[in-house]
Amino acid sequence: NAGVTQTPKFRVLKTGQSMTLLCAQDMNHEYMYWYRQDPGMGLRLIHYSVGEGTTAKGEVPDGYNVSRLKKQNFLLGLESAAPSQTSVYFCASSSGTGGVNEQFFGPGTRLTVL
Amino acid sequence: EDQVTQSPEALRLQEGESSSLNCSYTVSGLRGLFWYRQDPGKGPEFLFTLYSAGEEKEKERLKATLTKKESFLHITAPKPEDSATYLCAVRRAGNMLTFGGGTRLMVKP
Repeated sequence: NAGVTQTPKFRVLKTGQSMTLLCAQDMNHEYMYWYRQDPGMGLRLIHYSVGEGTTAKGEVPDGYNVSRLKKQNFLLGLESAAPSQTSVYFCASSSGTGGVNEQFFGPGTRLTVL
Repeated sequence: EDQVTQSPEALRLQEGESSSLNCSYTVSGLRGLFWYRQDPGKGPEFLFTLYSAGEEKEKERLKATLTKKESFLHITAPKPEDSATYLCAVRRAGNMLTFGGGTRLMVKP
């Protein structure tokens, strides 16, 4: 099992460009999440999904959109990148609301917006 | 609003020098407190979940404890390979996590 994978690992964008980050999980998890991690601010939730075809806003959703067309994939889009979106982005998945229910994280995507 | 504060921000230890990391929290109805380890350039890796005051969990040189206001991650006789950032998070409704800022631990040989 690969667990949670993210594509790409690194990306440099110019202000105003768009891009999509891809997250895939092979654990048949219902829940998926997108976080950003900035120095001194910890991990902050951008958007999440509680199942195929559903999405919801997290703490810092502005400037991002998401889609969950397939259970195993969760896409994060930036329509018009801004320097404030320079960050490390992590995707995570979990089985749902029952049990131990820890979130499993991907390796991250380092995004720089010039 | 849920809040999680970790201290210290950074901690330097000599190999074998035991210490504790602190995670204080305010949350309406704790549904679990999580500890993660994060190595540079990698995603967080799950360590423990604690659900109720008085609960303790151990894994190798790590022991996590929980009270009604805080959690401690005790590191006994640490080794250089324990160097990492340790993250604490509280779980709220819908399995959403609120993370603290983390403690960066450096263990010198």
